[in-house]
Amino acid sequence: DAGVIQSPRHEVTEMGQEVTLRCKPISGHNSLFWYRQTMMRGLELLIYFNNNVPIDDSGMPEDRFSAKMPNASFSTLKIQPSEPRDSAVYFCASSLSREKLFFGSGTQLSVL
Amino acid sequence: DQQVKQNSPSLSVQEGRISILNCDYTNSMFDYFLWYKKYPAEGPTFLISISSIKDKNEDGRFTVFLNKSAKHLSLHIVPSQPGDSAVYFCADGDDMRFGAGTRLTVKP
Repeated sequence: DAGVIQSPRHEVTEMGQEVTLRCKPISGHNSLFWYRQTMMRGLELLIYFNNNVPIDDSGMPEDRFSAKMPNASFSTLKIQPSEPRDSAVYFCASSLSREKLFFGSGTQLSVL
Repeated sequence: DQQVKQNSPSLSVQEGRISILNCDYTNSMFDYFLWYKKYPAEGPTFLISISSIKDKNEDGRFTVFLNKSAKHLSLHIVPSQPGDSAVYFCADGDDMRFGAGTRLTVKP
């Protein structure tokens, strides 16, 4: 298996632009998580899905953030409009029945 | 408020010695904990876990201890190796929330 695949690997955008991060979980996994890593707060859970349904989005910082999982093999995290303070590494992870997580390599987002 | 806390942002030890990384949690209902290791430019990878029915779990050089009364867990690495240098995160297995991480540096 190729593991969790995230794209793009790096994203540089200007303030106010829309940013879409993509994730392909491991086939057969039924839970998907989005995290954000910053120096100050470490790994923050943004949202998680179980069987494609959002279960807990309490970590989503603002209405500017939204996430979807239209099917079991794809999820997106969208920021609109983006702001410089959104600059961070965003990770997607998947798991089977909420056991240990398998992380992607992350998307390094820079908002100028 | 963070449910899982790692209060030491960094730790430096000499090769061959023991590394002890600490983690505290607030919710006494948590019954499963995990440790992850993260190298630069990579995603975190699973290292070891422990269930609340145990107070210790061992895997090679890595041992995790759980003290339920103190709501505290620790990861011991013995002996430490330079390749262990990474950021270590603890997480609760119920909410899948992570601590802020501890950067371990093992000096040759």
